[in-house]
Amino acid sequence: EIVLTQSPGTLPLSQGERATLSCRASQNVSRSNFAWYQQKPGQAPRLLIFGASNRATGIPDRFSGSGSGTDFTLTISRLEPEDFAVYYCQQYGSSSWTFGQGTKVEIK
Amino acid sequence: EVQLVQSGAEVKKPGESLTISCEASGFSFFNYWIGWVRQMPGRGLEWMGVIYPRDSETRYSPSFQGQVIISADTSITTAYLKWSSLKASDTAIYYCVRRHGYSYVFDYWGQGSLVTVSS
Repeated sequence: EIVLTQSPGTLPLSQGERATLSCRASQNVSRSNFAWYQQKPGQAPRLLIFGASNRATGIPDRFSGSGSGTDFTLTISRLEPEDFAVYYCQQYGSSSWTFGQGTKVEIK
Repeated sequence: EVQLVQSGAEVKKPGESLTISCEASGFSFFNYWIGWVRQMPGRGLEWMGVIYPRDSETRYSPSFQGQVIISADTSITTAYLKWSSLKASDTAIYYCVRRHGYSYVFDYWGQGSLVTVSS
């Protein structure tokens, strides 16, 4: 099973700042099978990025994804109030999906 | 509009059985993999398994194989997650999800079903 490790665990930032979230895989992951999700308190997660760098429908362009192999990054260019949430990375490989443990972007 | 509408919250005792449901609409239920994801209190997301309703092929995470059963009824476009004997550690929110048509990600999520198992 591929293990995904996200860092940092918590990211304290202010509105308007840039957020950079990291996800490292224990072995190579196909870009096409890599995604990022956002979860706000009391809500279901929602798909942000698929295929490592493609924004899902309705996702603002301040969200961008990059990376390949074992290292992937989610960047939020300028944090808006609604962006303070928990972010999860996910991969599919060997007939199994795994998630990272999450990064909480909180108000500084 | 794609929708996954899950059954409501449940409170059960250890050892009891339970089936929760996920009614799909707005897309061709036959042609998409439907899965379940667990979120224990204050914790992250864990993939449990998926089913392809057209032929009922199922795949389970090794962590959940033998612990739950995933099924689907195409006549009412509904997927199910079943436990035969609940444990306190099954207390969690369970989300049903739709796998994207050509990518291995979950593009739509149900609202979640809270299952509480307590004596």
